[in-house]
Amino acid sequence: GAVVSQHPSWVICKSGTSVKIECRSLDFQATTMFWYRQFPKQSLMLMATSNEGSKATYEQGVEKDKFLINHASLTLSTLTVTSAHPEDSSFYICSARAQQGAVETQYFGPGTRLLVL
Amino acid sequence: EDQVTQSPEALRLQEGESSSLNCSYTVSGLRGLFWYRQDPGKGPEFLFTLYSAGEEKEKERLKATLTKKESFLHITAPKPEDSATYLCAVQGYGGATNKLIFGTGTLLAVQP
Repeated sequence: GAVVSQHPSWVICKSGTSVKIECRSLDFQATTMFWYRQFPKQSLMLMATSNEGSKATYEQGVEKDKFLINHASLTLSTLTVTSAHPEDSSFYICSARAQQGAVETQYFGPGTRLLVL
Repeated sequence: EDQVTQSPEALRLQEGESSSLNCSYTVSGLRGLFWYRQDPGKGPEFLFTLYSAGEEKEKERLKATLTKKESFLHITAPKPEDSATYLCAVQGYGGATNKLIFGTGTLLAVQP
Protein backbone atom coordinates (compact mmCIF):
# COMPACT_ATOMS: atom_id res chain seq x y z
CA GLY A 1 0.00 0.00 0.00
CA ALA A 2 0.98 3.64 -0.42
CA VAL A 3 2.96 5.18 2.43
CA VAL A 4 2.76 8.74 3.72
CA SER A 5 5.23 9.98 6.30
CA GLN A 6 5.13 13.00 8.59
CA HIS A 7 7.89 14.70 10.50
CA PRO A 8 8.12 15.42 13.33
CA SER A 9 5.75 12.99 15.06
CA TRP A 10 5.46 15.34 18.01
CA VAL A 11 6.68 18.79 18.88
CA ILE A 12 6.57 21.04 21.93
CA CYS A 13 7.19 24.72 21.43
CA LYS A 14 6.86 28.01 23.22
CA SER A 15 4.04 30.42 22.45
CA GLY A 16 4.98 32.80 19.64
CA THR A 17 7.33 30.48 17.78
CA SER A 18 6.69 28.91 14.38
CA VAL A 19 6.57 25.20 13.73
CA LYS A 20 7.00 23.42 10.40
CA ILE A 21 5.53 19.98 9.71
CA GLU A 22 6.60 17.96 6.69
CA CYS A 23 4.45 15.47 4.81
CA ARG A 24 5.94 13.13 2.23
CA SER A 25 4.46 10.51 -0.06
CA LEU A 26 7.17 7.86 -0.06
CA ASP A 27 6.28 5.55 -2.92
CA PHE A 28 3.94 7.55 -5.12
CA GLN A 29 3.50 11.02 -6.51
CA ALA A 30 0.68 13.14 -5.15
CA THR A 31 -0.59 16.11 -7.09
CA THR A 32 -2.99 16.80 -4.25
CA MET A 33 -2.30 16.72 -0.53
CA PHE A 34 -4.58 17.60 2.36
CA TRP A 35 -4.02 18.89 5.87
CA TYR A 36 -6.37 17.94 8.69
CA ARG A 37 -6.66 18.82 12.34
CA GLN A 38 -8.16 16.49 14.92
CA PHE A 39 -9.22 17.29 18.46
CA PRO A 40 -9.55 14.55 21.10
CA LYS A 41 -12.43 12.18 20.45
CA GLN A 42 -13.50 14.14 17.38
CA SER A 43 -13.35 13.39 13.69
CA LEU A 44 -10.98 14.90 11.17
CA MET A 45 -11.40 18.54 10.25
CA LEU A 46 -10.07 19.50 6.83
CA MET A 47 -7.94 22.63 7.01
CA ALA A 48 -6.72 23.00 3.46
CA THR A 49 -6.10 21.31 0.15
CA SER A 50 -2.75 21.81 -1.52
CA ASN A 51 -1.94 21.21 -5.15
CA GLU A 52 1.62 20.92 -6.37
CA GLY A 53 2.89 24.19 -7.74
CA SER A 54 -0.12 26.29 -6.81
CA LYS A 55 -1.59 28.05 -3.80
CA ALA A 56 -3.46 26.03 -1.23
CA THR A 57 -7.23 26.20 -0.90
CA TYR A 58 -8.25 26.84 2.70
CA GLU A 59 -11.49 25.78 4.34
CA GLN A 60 -13.77 28.41 5.77
CA GLY A 61 -12.55 29.67 9.12
CA VAL A 62 -8.94 28.57 8.66
CA GLU A 63 -6.48 31.47 8.72
CA LYS A 64 -4.20 31.17 5.72
CA ASP A 65 -1.66 33.58 7.19
CA LYS A 66 -1.39 31.47 10.31
CA PHE A 67 -1.26 28.07 8.65
CA LEU A 68 1.14 28.39 5.72
CA ILE A 69 1.09 25.52 3.27
CA ASN A 70 3.69 24.84 0.61
CA HIS A 71 3.41 21.97 -1.87
CA ALA A 72 6.84 22.26 -3.42
CA SER A 73 7.00 18.93 -5.21
CA LEU A 74 4.90 15.90 -6.07
CA THR A 75 6.08 14.16 -2.91
CA LEU A 76 6.37 16.93 -0.34
CA SER A 77 3.99 19.35 1.34
CA THR A 78 4.72 21.42 4.43
CA LEU A 79 2.47 23.07 6.99
CA THR A 80 3.92 25.93 9.01
CA VAL A 81 2.04 27.09 12.08
CA THR A 82 3.18 30.68 12.50
CA SER A 83 3.29 32.43 15.87
CA ALA A 84 1.80 29.41 17.56
CA HIS A 85 -0.42 29.82 20.60
CA PRO A 86 -1.76 27.26 23.09
CA GLU A 87 -5.06 27.06 21.22
CA ASP A 88 -3.12 25.74 18.21
CA SER A 89 -2.21 22.64 20.20
CA SER A 90 -3.73 19.72 18.36
CA PHE A 91 -3.10 16.60 16.29
CA TYR A 92 -2.26 17.51 12.69
CA ILE A 93 -2.58 14.85 10.00
CA CYS A 94 -1.65 15.11 6.35
CA SER A 95 -3.05 13.05 3.53
CA ALA A 96 -1.94 12.44 -0.03
CA ARG A 97 -4.12 11.42 -2.92
CA ALA A 98 -2.85 8.55 -5.02
CA GLN A 99 -4.27 8.03 -8.47
CA GLN A 100 -4.13 4.72 -10.28
CA GLY A 101 -6.06 5.08 -13.51
CA ALA A 102 -9.58 6.16 -12.61
CA VAL A 103 -9.15 5.10 -8.98
CA GLU A 104 -8.28 7.76 -6.41
CA THR A 105 -7.40 6.90 -2.84
CA GLN A 106 -6.36 9.17 0.00
CA TYR A 107 -3.66 7.81 2.26
CA PHE A 108 -2.92 9.40 5.60
CA GLY A 109 0.27 10.11 7.46
CA PRO A 110 0.81 9.05 11.08
CA GLY A 111 0.08 12.55 12.40
CA THR A 112 2.00 15.21 14.30
CA ARG A 113 1.05 16.13 17.82
CA LEU A 114 1.72 19.78 18.57
CA LEU A 115 1.80 21.18 22.09
CA VAL A 116 2.24 24.92 22.48
CA LEU A 117 3.21 26.08 25.96
CA GLU B 1 -25.03 19.51 1.33
CA ASP B 2 -23.02 16.27 1.48
CA GLN B 3 -23.35 14.55 4.83
CA VAL B 4 -22.19 11.37 6.56
CA THR B 5 -23.68 9.88 9.74
CA GLN B 6 -22.16 6.89 11.49
CA SER B 7 -23.81 4.67 14.06
CA PRO B 8 -23.43 3.57 16.72
CA GLU B 9 -21.01 6.08 18.22
CA ALA B 10 -19.48 3.33 20.31
CA LEU B 11 -19.77 -0.44 20.28
CA ARG B 12 -18.47 -2.97 22.74
CA LEU B 13 -18.25 -6.60 21.61
CA GLN B 14 -17.01 -9.81 23.09
CA GLU B 15 -14.31 -11.58 21.13
CA GLY B 16 -16.01 -13.65 18.44
CA GLU B 17 -19.26 -11.68 18.58
CA SER B 18 -20.00 -10.51 15.03
CA SER B 19 -21.68 -7.16 14.36
CA SER B 20 -22.06 -4.34 11.85
CA LEU B 21 -21.27 -0.65 11.76
CA ASN B 22 -23.48 1.70 9.78
CA CYS B 23 -22.62 4.69 7.60
CA SER B 24 -25.53 6.66 6.16
CA TYR B 25 -24.77 9.29 3.57
CA THR B 26 -26.25 11.94 1.34
CA VAL B 27 -24.16 13.18 -1.55
CA SER B 28 -24.79 14.86 -4.86
CA GLY B 29 -23.37 12.11 -7.02
CA LEU B 30 -21.24 9.49 -5.28
CA ARG B 31 -17.70 9.27 -6.54
CA GLY B 32 -16.60 6.87 -3.80
CA LEU B 33 -17.25 5.76 -0.23
CA PHE B 34 -14.22 5.05 1.92
CA TRP B 35 -13.66 3.14 5.14
CA TYR B 36 -10.67 3.85 7.36
CA ARG B 37 -9.47 2.47 10.66
CA GLN B 38 -7.84 4.82 13.17
CA ASP B 39 -5.92 3.71 16.23
CA PRO B 40 -5.39 6.17 19.11
CA GLY B 41 -2.69 8.72 18.37
CA LYS B 42 -2.26 7.59 14.76
CA GLY B 43 -3.46 8.64 11.34
CA PRO B 44 -6.31 6.79 9.61
CA GLU B 45 -5.42 3.57 7.82
CA PHE B 46 -7.15 2.92 4.50
CA LEU B 47 -9.40 -0.15 4.40
CA PHE B 48 -11.81 -0.05 1.45
CA THR B 49 -13.26 2.02 -1.34
CA LEU B 50 -16.74 1.30 -2.69
CA TYR B 51 -18.02 2.94 -5.83
CA SER B 52 -21.50 1.68 -6.65
CA ALA B 53 -24.54 0.17 -4.97
CA GLY B 54 -24.28 -3.57 -4.61
CA GLU B 55 -20.52 -3.58 -4.40
CA GLU B 56 -18.84 -5.57 -1.64
CA LYS B 57 -15.22 -5.81 -0.51
CA GLU B 58 -13.56 -8.04 2.06
CA LYS B 59 -10.34 -8.01 4.03
CA GLU B 60 -9.73 -10.62 6.71
CA ARG B 61 -12.59 -10.28 9.22
CA LEU B 62 -14.00 -7.13 7.62
CA LYS B 63 -16.56 -6.87 4.85
CA ALA B 64 -17.91 -3.60 3.47
CA THR B 65 -21.15 -3.28 1.55
CA LEU B 66 -22.83 -0.37 -0.19
CA THR B 67 -26.37 0.67 -1.07
CA LYS B 68 -27.61 3.96 -2.51
CA LYS B 69 -28.10 5.40 0.98
CA GLU B 70 -25.74 3.60 3.33
CA SER B 71 -22.75 1.37 3.81
CA PHE B 72 -22.17 -1.35 6.36
CA LEU B 73 -18.89 -2.58 7.76
CA HIS B 74 -19.45 -6.14 8.93
CA ILE B 75 -17.01 -7.54 11.45
CA THR B 76 -17.01 -11.32 11.68
CA ALA B 77 -15.65 -13.02 14.81
CA PRO B 78 -13.73 -9.93 15.94
CA LYS B 79 -10.53 -10.10 17.92
CA PRO B 80 -9.22 -7.58 20.48
CA GLU B 81 -6.79 -6.23 17.86
CA ASP B 82 -9.80 -5.05 15.83
CA SER B 83 -10.46 -2.45 18.53
CA ALA B 84 -10.17 1.00 16.92
CA THR B 85 -12.25 3.87 15.61
CA TYR B 86 -13.71 3.15 12.19
CA LEU B 87 -14.27 6.17 9.97
CA CYS B 88 -16.49 6.40 6.92
CA ALA B 89 -16.07 9.12 4.30
CA VAL B 90 -17.72 9.98 1.00
CA GLN B 91 -16.41 11.80 -2.01
CA GLY B 92 -18.88 13.46 -4.35
CA TYR B 93 -18.53 14.91 -7.79
CA GLY B 94 -19.23 18.45 -6.65
CA GLY B 95 -16.54 21.03 -5.86
CA ALA B 96 -13.10 21.68 -7.24
CA THR B 97 -11.19 19.42 -4.90
CA ASN B 98 -13.62 16.52 -4.49
CA LYS B 99 -12.70 16.45 -0.83
CA LEU B 100 -13.69 13.66 1.53
CA ILE B 101 -16.58 14.25 3.91
CA PHE B 102 -16.03 12.26 7.10
CA GLY B 103 -18.44 10.88 9.64
CA THR B 104 -17.64 11.12 13.33
CA GLY B 105 -16.66 7.49 13.53
CA THR B 106 -17.59 4.39 15.53
CA LEU B 107 -15.37 3.49 18.45
CA LEU B 108 -15.16 -0.29 18.58
CA ALA B 109 -13.91 -2.11 21.66
CA VAL B 110 -13.50 -5.88 21.47
CA GLN B 111 -13.06 -7.56 24.81
CA PRO B 112 -11.23 -10.90 25.17
